[in-house]
Amino acid sequence: KQEVTQIPAALSVPEGENLVLNCSFTDSAIYNLQWFRQDPGKGLTSLLLIQSSQREQTSGRLNASLDKSSGRSTLYIAASQPGDSATYLCAVTLRGGGSTLGRLYFGRGTQLTVWP
Amino acid sequence: EAQVTQNPRYLITVTGKKLTVTCSQNMNHEYMSWYRQDPGLGLRQIYYSMNVEVTDKGDVPEGYKVSRKEKRNFPLILESPSPNQTSLYFCASSLGGGVGETQYFGPGTRLLVL
Repeated sequence: KQEVTQIPAALSVPEGENLVLNCSFTDSAIYNLQWFRQDPGKGLTSLLLIQSSQREQTSGRLNASLDKSSGRSTLYIAASQPGDSATYLCAVTLRGGGSTLGRLYFGRGTQLTVWP
Repeated sequence: EAQVTQNPRYLITVTGKKLTVTCSQNMNHEYMSWYRQDPGLGLRQIYYSMNVEVTDKGDVPEGYKVSRKEKRNFPLILESPSPNQTSLYFCASSLGGGVGETQYFGPGTRLLVL
C-alpha cells in the first residue's frame, strides 16, 4: 500500500523567507504527484501537478520537483507572504491497472504560517 | 463558473438514520471521487468513479455507498450512519479518465453523527 509522508507537519516563518516543503512516497510506480493548498474550513485547491515523466513544474512563486526513483517531491515557495498561510498537501496517483487505477493517496499535510 | 458543489454543507444526524450527501460538477468531468478528512489521519479516498455506471472502492469504503447514474452527479449514501463516520467529506472531479488530471474539490460537508 502506498504511504505518503509530509515533513514538517507544521512550519512558522517570517514574511519574505524562501521555504521548502517535503513529500515522500513509498511506491515509486506513480502516475503523477499533485500539490494542493487547503485553507481552514475550505476545500482543496490544486497548485501544481507533475507527471511521472517530468522533473519539475513552476507556477509563479511556486516550484515543485519530483524525484520518482527516490520517492520524493519538494514544494519550494519563494518570498513567502502572509497570504501563503495554509495547509499544503501532496497526493500521488498510482500507476497500474485493475484496482489501483484512479486511486489517490494523500499525505497529512504541512501547516504553514507566514507572519508579517 | 466551473465548480463542484456539495449539499448539505453541514449535517447533524443520529445513528442509523439514512442520509445522502449530493455532489455535482458542471465541467463535464468523467472522474469523480469522495474523500473523508479526519484529524491525524489526513484525506482518505472512499469511492471513486471513472465514468457513468463505473464505481470502485477506495481505501475506506465500509459503511458507504455511491452511484453514478449521470455524469454530473455522484451522491454519497450512508445507509446506517455511525458515530465513527463523523468527519469532513469532500467530493472531487477531474477531466478525462481521472488519472493524470488536476482534481477539483468541492467545499466540503461536515457531518456529525450522534
